Amino acid sequence: NAGVTQTPKFQVLKTGQSMTLQCAQDMNHNSMYWYRQDPGMGLRLIYYSASEGTTDKGEVPNGYNVSRLNKREFSLRLESAAPSQTSVYFCASMAGQGGMGNQPQHFGDGTRLSIL
Amino acid sequence: AQSVAQPEDQVNVAEGNPLTVKCTYSVSGNPYLFWYVQYPNRGLQFLLKYITGDNLVKGSYGFEAEFNKSQTSFHLKKPSALVSDSALYFCAVRVNYGGATNKLIFGTGTLLAVQP
Repeated sequence: NAGVTQTPKFQVLKTGQSMTLQCAQDMNHNSMYWYRQDPGMGLRLIYYSASEGTTDKGEVPNGYNVSRLNKREFSLRLESAAPSQTSVYFCASMAGQGGMGNQPQHFGDGTRLSIL
Repeated sequence: AQSVAQPEDQVNVAEGNPLTVKCTYSVSGNPYLFWYVQYPNRGLQFLLKYITGDNLVKGSYGFEAEFNKSQTSFHLKKPSALVSDSALYFCAVRVNYGGATNKLIFGTGTLLAVQP
Protein backbone atom coordinates (compact mmCIF):
# COMPACT_ATOMS: atom_id res chain seq x y z
CA ASN A 1 0.00 0.00 0.00
CA ALA A 2 2.27 2.79 -1.29
CA GLY A 3 -0.05 5.82 -0.87
CA VAL A 4 1.83 8.91 -2.10
CA THR A 5 5.32 8.32 -3.53
CA GLN A 6 7.80 11.13 -4.11
CA THR A 7 11.07 10.94 -6.02
CA PRO A 8 13.85 11.76 -5.47
CA LYS A 9 14.16 11.80 -1.67
CA PHE A 10 17.21 14.06 -1.71
CA GLN A 11 18.72 16.36 -4.30
CA VAL A 12 21.47 18.96 -4.42
CA LEU A 13 21.42 21.48 -7.27
CA LYS A 14 23.51 24.41 -8.33
CA THR A 15 21.91 27.81 -8.82
CA GLY A 16 20.36 28.01 -12.26
CA GLN A 17 19.92 24.28 -12.77
CA SER A 18 16.50 22.84 -13.45
CA MET A 19 14.83 19.74 -12.14
CA THR A 20 11.47 18.04 -11.81
CA LEU A 21 10.10 16.54 -8.62
CA GLN A 22 7.86 13.57 -9.22
CA CYS A 23 4.77 12.57 -7.27
CA ALA A 24 2.41 9.65 -7.78
CA GLN A 25 -0.55 8.40 -5.75
CA ASP A 26 -2.30 5.06 -5.98
CA MET A 27 -5.48 5.93 -4.07
CA ASN A 28 -7.49 7.18 -7.07
CA HIS A 29 -7.66 10.63 -5.50
CA ASN A 30 -8.93 13.59 -7.50
CA SER A 31 -7.02 16.41 -5.82
CA MET A 32 -3.25 16.76 -5.53
CA TYR A 33 -1.06 19.42 -3.92
CA TRP A 34 2.54 20.59 -3.70
CA TYR A 35 3.79 22.24 -0.50
CA ARG A 36 7.11 23.50 0.74
CA GLN A 37 8.10 23.29 4.39
CA ASP A 38 10.53 25.77 5.88
CA PRO A 39 11.52 26.12 9.55
CA GLY A 40 9.09 28.26 11.52
CA MET A 41 6.76 28.72 8.56
CA GLY A 42 4.73 25.56 8.50
CA LEU A 43 3.61 24.27 5.12
CA ARG A 44 2.92 26.68 2.31
CA LEU A 45 0.95 25.70 -0.77
CA ILE A 46 2.82 26.09 -4.07
CA TYR A 47 0.35 24.68 -6.61
CA TYR A 48 -2.60 22.39 -6.55
CA SER A 49 -4.75 20.38 -8.92
CA ALA A 50 -8.39 19.97 -7.96
CA SER A 51 -8.91 17.35 -10.63
CA GLU A 52 -7.18 15.79 -13.61
CA GLY A 53 -6.57 18.42 -16.26
CA THR A 54 -6.66 21.45 -13.95
CA THR A 55 -3.94 23.24 -12.00
CA ASP A 56 -3.97 26.46 -9.99
CA LYS A 57 -1.51 28.62 -8.10
CA GLY A 58 -1.26 28.46 -4.36
CA GLU A 59 0.38 30.81 -1.89
CA VAL A 60 3.97 30.73 -3.20
CA PRO A 61 3.99 29.76 -6.92
CA ASN A 62 6.80 31.99 -8.21
CA GLY A 63 9.70 30.03 -9.67
CA TYR A 64 7.71 26.82 -10.06
CA ASN A 65 5.58 25.08 -12.65
CA VAL A 66 3.44 21.97 -12.39
CA SER A 67 1.97 19.31 -14.62
CA ARG A 68 -0.94 17.03 -13.81
CA LEU A 69 0.17 14.27 -16.14
CA ASN A 70 -2.80 12.02 -15.38
CA LYS A 71 -4.96 11.24 -12.37
CA ARG A 72 -2.07 9.53 -10.57
CA GLU A 73 0.84 11.88 -11.23
CA PHE A 74 1.52 15.50 -10.38
CA SER A 75 5.01 16.88 -11.01
CA LEU A 76 6.69 20.08 -9.81
CA ARG A 77 9.37 21.76 -11.92
CA LEU A 78 12.00 24.28 -10.96
CA GLU A 79 13.11 25.93 -14.19
CA SER A 80 16.06 27.88 -12.77
CA ALA A 81 16.81 26.92 -9.18
CA ALA A 82 17.64 29.63 -6.64
CA PRO A 83 19.02 29.28 -3.09
CA SER A 84 15.69 30.57 -1.75
CA GLN A 85 14.12 27.38 -3.06
CA THR A 86 16.12 25.25 -0.64
CA SER A 87 13.38 23.49 1.27
CA VAL A 88 11.58 20.24 1.90
CA TYR A 89 8.88 19.65 -0.68
CA PHE A 90 5.79 17.59 0.05
CA CYS A 91 3.21 16.23 -2.30
CA ALA A 92 -0.27 15.39 -1.01
CA SER A 93 -3.48 13.97 -2.39
CA MET A 94 -7.08 14.05 -1.27
CA ALA A 95 -10.21 12.14 -2.21
CA GLY A 96 -13.11 14.14 -3.50
CA GLN A 97 -13.35 17.73 -4.51
CA GLY A 98 -15.71 20.63 -4.08
CA GLY A 99 -18.06 19.89 -1.24
CA MET A 100 -16.12 16.74 -0.33
CA GLY A 101 -13.25 18.79 1.05
CA ASN A 102 -13.71 17.31 4.51
CA GLN A 103 -11.43 14.42 3.64
CA PRO A 104 -7.87 14.40 5.01
CA GLN A 105 -4.90 14.92 2.78
CA HIS A 106 -2.38 12.10 2.42
CA PHE A 107 1.27 13.11 2.26
CA GLY A 108 4.39 11.67 0.73
CA ASP A 109 7.63 11.56 2.72
CA GLY A 110 9.09 14.59 0.99
CA THR A 111 11.98 15.63 -1.21
CA ARG A 112 14.83 17.42 0.55
CA LEU A 113 16.23 19.91 -1.91
CA SER A 114 19.36 22.02 -1.44
CA ILE A 115 20.32 24.75 -3.89
CA LEU A 116 23.95 25.86 -3.71
CA ALA B 1 -7.76 37.00 6.39
CA GLN B 2 -8.22 33.31 7.01
CA SER B 3 -5.53 31.87 9.23
CA VAL B 4 -4.46 29.33 11.79
CA ALA B 5 -2.25 30.07 14.79
CA GLN B 6 -0.26 27.74 16.98
CA PRO B 7 1.01 30.01 19.75
CA GLU B 8 3.61 27.62 21.16
CA ASP B 9 6.71 26.62 19.20
CA GLN B 10 7.42 23.85 21.70
CA VAL B 11 5.55 22.03 24.43
CA ASN B 12 7.40 19.99 27.03
CA VAL B 13 5.62 17.39 29.12
CA ALA B 14 6.65 14.45 31.30
CA GLU B 15 5.65 10.97 30.27
CA GLY B 16 2.35 9.99 31.85
CA ASN B 17 1.16 13.57 32.24
CA PRO B 18 -1.67 15.06 30.17
CA LEU B 19 -0.70 17.16 27.18
CA THR B 20 -2.33 20.01 25.30
CA VAL B 21 -1.20 21.54 22.02
CA LYS B 22 -3.03 24.77 21.25
CA CYS B 23 -4.58 25.97 18.01
CA THR B 24 -6.78 28.95 17.17
CA TYR B 25 -8.30 29.78 13.82
CA SER B 26 -9.88 32.59 11.87
CA VAL B 27 -12.11 31.65 8.94
CA SER B 28 -15.37 32.77 7.44
CA GLY B 29 -18.21 30.29 7.68
CA ASN B 30 -18.11 26.95 9.44
CA PRO B 31 -14.58 25.66 9.92
CA TYR B 32 -13.29 22.26 8.90
CA LEU B 33 -10.34 21.64 11.23
CA PHE B 34 -7.59 19.06 11.15
CA TRP B 35 -4.61 17.90 13.19
CA TYR B 36 -1.59 16.26 11.59
CA VAL B 37 1.59 14.80 13.11
CA GLN B 38 5.02 14.71 11.52
CA TYR B 39 7.80 12.38 12.65
CA PRO B 40 11.41 13.08 11.64
CA ASN B 41 12.10 12.69 7.92
CA ARG B 42 8.48 11.71 7.22
CA GLY B 43 5.45 13.33 5.70
CA LEU B 44 2.45 14.55 7.67
CA GLN B 45 0.05 11.96 9.00
CA PHE B 46 -3.62 12.67 9.66
CA LEU B 47 -4.66 12.46 13.32
CA LEU B 48 -8.22 13.72 13.50
CA LYS B 49 -10.71 16.21 12.11
CA TYR B 50 -13.70 18.28 13.13
CA ILE B 51 -16.40 18.83 10.53
CA THR B 52 -19.61 19.04 12.52
CA GLY B 53 -21.30 17.41 15.52
CA ASP B 54 -19.74 16.69 18.91
CA ASN B 55 -17.20 19.25 20.02
CA LEU B 56 -14.89 16.51 21.33
CA VAL B 57 -13.31 14.60 18.48
CA LYS B 58 -11.35 11.39 19.01
CA GLY B 59 -8.54 10.39 16.70
CA SER B 60 -5.55 8.13 16.23
CA TYR B 61 -3.04 7.08 18.92
CA GLY B 62 -5.30 8.15 21.81
CA PHE B 63 -5.41 11.82 20.79
CA GLU B 64 -8.53 13.94 20.96
CA ALA B 65 -9.33 17.56 20.21
CA GLU B 66 -11.90 19.95 21.55
CA PHE B 67 -13.64 22.38 19.22
CA ASN B 68 -14.67 25.63 20.90
CA LYS B 69 -16.60 27.93 18.60
CA SER B 70 -16.78 30.89 20.97
CA GLN B 71 -13.02 30.87 21.50
CA THR B 72 -12.29 29.84 17.89
CA SER B 73 -9.98 27.13 19.19
CA PHE B 74 -9.26 23.51 18.40
CA HIS B 75 -6.77 22.27 20.99
CA LEU B 76 -5.20 18.83 20.72
CA LYS B 77 -5.15 16.76 23.90
CA LYS B 78 -4.07 13.42 25.27
CA PRO B 79 -4.70 12.20 28.83
CA SER B 80 -1.34 10.47 29.27
CA ALA B 81 1.69 11.35 27.12
CA LEU B 82 4.14 8.79 25.77
CA VAL B 83 7.76 9.37 24.77
CA SER B 84 6.78 8.08 21.33
CA ASP B 85 4.34 11.02 20.99
CA SER B 86 7.35 13.34 20.59
CA ALA B 87 6.93 14.87 17.14
CA LEU B 88 5.89 18.02 15.27
CA TYR B 89 2.16 18.73 15.31
CA PHE B 90 0.29 20.85 12.80
CA CYS B 91 -3.18 22.32 13.01
CA ALA B 92 -4.92 23.11 9.71
CA VAL B 93 -8.18 24.60 8.50
CA ARG B 94 -9.90 23.91 5.21
CA VAL B 95 -10.67 26.87 3.04
CA ASN B 96 -13.09 26.60 0.15
CA TYR B 97 -12.96 29.13 -2.64
CA GLY B 98 -15.97 27.70 -4.43
CA GLY B 99 -16.45 24.70 -6.67
CA ALA B 100 -13.63 22.18 -6.65
CA THR B 101 -11.17 24.43 -4.87
CA ASN B 102 -10.43 23.16 -1.38
CA LYS B 103 -7.18 24.06 0.27
CA LEU B 104 -5.67 23.68 3.71
CA ILE B 105 -4.07 26.50 5.63
CA PHE B 106 -1.51 25.17 8.11
CA GLY B 107 -0.26 26.56 11.36
CA THR B 108 3.48 26.90 11.89
CA GLY B 109 3.69 23.71 13.94
CA THR B 110 4.34 22.84 17.59
CA LEU B 111 7.16 20.57 18.60
CA LEU B 112 6.03 18.22 21.36
CA ALA B 113 8.80 16.85 23.55
CA VAL B 114 7.86 14.15 26.04
CA GLN B 115 10.50 13.46 28.66
CA PRO B 116 10.84 9.98 30.18
